[in-house]
Amino acid sequence: NAGVMQNPRHLVRRRGQEARLRCSPMKGHSHVYWYRQLPEEGLKFMVYLQKENIIDESGMPKERFSAEFPKEGPSILRIQQVVRGDSAAYFCASSTPLSYSGNTIYFGEGSWLTVV
Amino acid sequence: DQQVKQNSPSLSVQEGRISILNCDYTNSMFDYFLWYKKYPAEGPTFLISISSIKDKNEDGRFTVFLNKSAKHLSLHIVPSQPGDSAVYFCAASARNAGNNRKLIWGLGTSLAVNP
Repeated sequence: NAGVMQNPRHLVRRRGQEARLRCSPMKGHSHVYWYRQLPEEGLKFMVYLQKENIIDESGMPKERFSAEFPKEGPSILRIQQVVRGDSAAYFCASSTPLSYSGNTIYFGEGSWLTVV
Repeated sequence: DQQVKQNSPSLSVQEGRISILNCDYTNSMFDYFLWYKKYPAEGPTFLISISSIKDKNEDGRFTVFLNKSAKHLSLHIVPSQPGDSAVYFCAASARNAGNNRKLIWGLGTSLAVNP
């Protein structure tokens, strides 16, 4: 499967625990994006990364959330001390470097986080 | 401030007829636009895109029209099929000072195609 791979698909955490969501981009893609979709809301941009570098994290909550895309391995979205409001679908997308003329990003199937 | 607006939260169309989904934007620097389709419990799927140098792009049953002066784009699906029932997101991007791009998304329009 050459698509964007996310795991786990579903994750249940108790309040105060940590959640780690993983994303492997499409083959040949060096840029990764994380989006969140809260119930009854649209897609919200969180962070845009290339390997070992955060390009834009303007959508990330100031606390408890972090993202990385190491030189080797998948991108990780980490949520510390989860609260009920973190329950959402988290989508990863990937692309080649967004070119001058625009580009398309391709999404994974999503990871559904439920905080109980 | 919603820079990309999809003013119709939902749309219902009869099978075989045309579906027209609309999207308005406020940032005149946007120069690349995309439409994505999303089924429940799945990730968004890329449908079609258009650059600001064009006013129309067609791919099979899907056509996107861009009216730059009105800052408006629309997605036409003809003929509509029940399998087209999904949420459709409009997204736009502009190149920023750092030569990067970020997609700005609308809130989506839920399309129901009735048999």
